[in-house]
Amino acid sequence: DAKTTQPNSMESNEEEPVHLPCNHSTISGTDYIHWYRQLPSQGPEYVIHGLTSNVNNRMASLAIAEDRKSSTLILHRATLRDAAVYYCILRDAEWDNYGQNFVFGPGTRLSVLP
Amino acid sequence: DSGVTQTPKHLITATGQRVTLRCSPRSGDLSVYWYQQSLDQGLQFLIQYYNGEERAKGNILERFSAQQFPDLHSELNLSSLELGDSALYFCASSVGGSGGWGETQYFGPGTRLLVL
Repeated sequence: DAKTTQPNSMESNEEEPVHLPCNHSTISGTDYIHWYRQLPSQGPEYVIHGLTSNVNNRMASLAIAEDRKSSTLILHRATLRDAAVYYCILRDAEWDNYGQNFVFGPGTRLSVLP
Repeated sequence: DSGVTQTPKHLITATGQRVTLRCSPRSGDLSVYWYQQSLDQGLQFLIQYYNGEERAKGNILERFSAQQFPDLHSELNLSSLELGDSALYFCASSVGGSGGWGETQYFGPGTRLLVL
């Protein structure tokens, strides 16, 4: 079962920042927070991941709450190409050191309006 | 382009039949993962192989099996197909598989299976 909670859908205007929230109140100390997105008719693609500190890369930023029970994916300037389903995933700690298997929830469907 | 290839892109078959889906991981990646995505179930992890050995199992039916060959490509075999097996099947790969919880998975474009 997915251990994260995300809004079903969000809307943004093109060229504006987007903040996609994710709640993970049962996160364990060794769970990484991963974000993937799935564009229409494509496989999921990696966006960003982090453990405790905020992270930045060329695609997005990840802001992690101090208690780690929530996180926010930030797209600084949304483009039409960013319209996708965004998945916030915890690496399943039950697998211990083996099997880096992601449990995907329903994600957030982001619509970007021109 | 993730570097992961899957064949075929589309597959149409009948109930009771058997099909094989193929996946070639990114160059250098030792782990291969299989996922099923259906409209009502979302993206579900099926199975992982690491360097030829089964590493982890998820919600994989007994009618389904997989293997990873010495050249690291993988095949997912689906038998006694039912209407409910119609779905997108994704393969993903990663560098390792024995640790490193922050490791990224790279997904292929998927195989769309339609069982009639």
